[in-house]
Amino acid sequence: GQQVMQIPQYQHVQEGEDFTTYCNSSTTLSNIQWYKQRPGGHPVFLIQLVKSGEVKKQKRLTFQFGEAKKNSSLHITATQTTDVGTYFCAPLRNYQLIWGAGTKLIIKP
Amino acid sequence: EAEVAQSPRYKITEKSQAVAFWCDPISGHATLYWYRQILGQGPELLVQFQDESVVDDSQLPKDRFSAERLKGVDSTLKIQPAELGDSAMYLCASSFGLAGVSYNEQFFGPGTRLTVL
Repeated sequence: GQQVMQIPQYQHVQEGEDFTTYCNSSTTLSNIQWYKQRPGGHPVFLIQLVKSGEVKKQKRLTFQFGEAKKNSSLHITATQTTDVGTYFCAPLRNYQLIWGAGTKLIIKP
Repeated sequence: EAEVAQSPRYKITEKSQAVAFWCDPISGHATLYWYRQILGQGPELLVQFQDESVVDDSQLPKDRFSAERLKGVDSTLKIQPAELGDSAMYLCASSFGLAGVSYNEQFFGPGTRLTVL
């Protein structure tokens, strides 16, 4: 079946440093969504990527979909305390989202 | 802004008891999802409805879990009997798109935190 791995599992950064999480699949993806879950909160939709090589930006967040549509990434520039949380990539398969364990962004005190 | 409502927010029960969770999706959303999320993991889909019909319940432990969306609006998820391993966050989500026709973002409710003692 479709396998999706998200790395790293955790990333500790100083406030102001950049953060990147990667989502890798063993099969070609038709569609991938990204969600953010704050500590104690629920997942909140960030973006949907559909096209090969697609790049979308939301302020300090940059989302990419690989040319082969087998991987995706989320990059946050100059992290802020409000960025703390777990970021999930969720590829679409048979009209359902496949959720991994996510990458937890932790800001060092 | 429209939100997905869930109740209760917290539930503590003893094993072998019955529990029920309620979800009211955003008005007009045809698709409703129930997820279970264990701490440190991503959401796991339990059941997906389109209107009042079950689209997928392949991951629902049917010996103890049941779900219904009788009028195609709000939904109830029940566990009977509850087991220790059922302790988790139960999330409800809804989306405007119809399964198999289009796909849209999912809007999540605040969840019900279940603790089974």
